Amino acid sequence: DAGVTQSPTHLIKTRGQHVTLRCSPISGHKSVSWYQQVLGQGPQFIFQYYEKEERGRGNFPDRFSARQFPNYSSELNVNALLLGDSALYLCASSLIWGSDYEQFFGPGTRLTVL
Amino acid sequence: GENVEQHPSTLSVQEGDSAVIKCTYSDSASNYFPWYKQELGKGPQLIIDIRSNVGEKKDQRIAVTLNKTAKHFSLHITETQPEDSAVYFCASRGYSGGGADGLTFGKGTHLIIQP
Repeated sequence: DAGVTQSPTHLIKTRGQHVTLRCSPISGHKSVSWYQQVLGQGPQFIFQYYEKEERGRGNFPDRFSARQFPNYSSELNVNALLLGDSALYLCASSLIWGSDYEQFFGPGTRLTVL
Repeated sequence: GENVEQHPSTLSVQEGDSAVIKCTYSDSASNYFPWYKQELGKGPQLIIDIRSNVGEKKDQRIAVTLNKTAKHFSLHITETQPEDSAVYFCASRGYSGGGADGLTFGKGTHLIIQP
């Protein structure tokens, strides 16, 4: 079975631009979460979606937004990119939404902002 | 919000020896504690997890212990092998406001297995 897939693998943007990252969860999983991992740090929670509704949001500015589609795939959008947005963006999927359900991560999208 | 502290930041052990990584958390409502292994250029891989109603869990060479009173949990790896070299993250999750939160991660431990 395929795991969590993310696209693109790498991305280079300039300050002020907009970026869209995509994620497909494990087949049968209905919840998707997004995390930002800056080099040398642990992942930081951005959003969590379940059944196309936002179920949780971390401490990120409104420049970050996301949505989940009827097929449970998801997009993360970042507007007005800053140098500090350079990071590995990780998508994680879980079967349903709940505090003790396992989250499985994809390989991530490496975003570089110049 | 939740805060997770992880120690040590780097751990070097001889192949075959044991490795222990420790984490503390701040939110007493947290009830799920996973551990992830991340190799260079890859996403985090879930290796073991423990829920608040359990004190210890073991899977072959890997074990996790949880002390809810002291709010700390630990990862134990026995008979370490070269392929255990990676960065390990602890994490916690609880409830706040309308429901389950995202995971809160520690800063990671770089485990180096010396041949």
